[in-house]
Amino acid sequence: EVQLVESGGGLVQPGGSLRLSCAASGFSLSNYYMHWVRQAPGKGLVWVSRLDSDGSGTRYADFVEGRFTISRDTAKNTLYLQLNSLRVDDTAVYFCVTDLKPTAASEYWGQGTLVTVSS
Amino acid sequence: SYELTQPPSVSVSPGQTVSITCSGENLENKNVCWYQQKSGQSPVKVIYRDNKRPSGIPERFSGSNSGNTATLTISGTQAMDEADYHCQAWDQSSVIFGGGTKLTVL
Repeated sequence: EVQLVESGGGLVQPGGSLRLSCAASGFSLSNYYMHWVRQAPGKGLVWVSRLDSDGSGTRYADFVEGRFTISRDTAKNTLYLQLNSLRVDDTAVYFCVTDLKPTAASEYWGQGTLVTVSS
Repeated sequence: SYELTQPPSVSVSPGQTVSITCSGENLENKNVCWYQQKSGQSPVKVIYRDNKRPSGIPERFSGSNSGNTATLTISGTQAMDEADYHCQAWDQSSVIFGGGTKLTVL
């Protein structure tokens, strides 16, 4: 069964850090572009970052401003998002997802992990 | 940066047809997909490549893309279709989502 399971969310103070994990099973992350997408409470989906299938290319939304880093561990088949210098407006559910190509019939989404930035 | 604009909310009576728009500059030159997201759940793709339905998506869901506007149409809307709908496209290797539209079935 194909599955993506995020973890690592929680409550953190402004300026703090968290590392989100996305464990994949039933397929290899190396075969897909992988993305992080976030959704603030009651708001829409917002793309955060992408890691190319070869593991070398990355891309980030403008609002990241060098604070986040996407990476993966091929041996663990796990995707990561390191979140540094967190702000209150980074509060959101963070989803990992494959591909996100509008030409593809489907992709795999995780269930999301909630990051709350608050003092 | 490229933006996709959706109406915040739309309402429809059961059995009627409803359309949700997604506007962007020269959007017809991009491939657009649509996601349905029910409360507390992860998104599910209902339209890809402008007008294609993934396996398992009911025929009442259809899509189009012309000029600056992509449109998701639900014919014979059912109560189970009440959800948030998000359009998505790529621009210069970045993924762009619309702001999402809350569909209420009255």
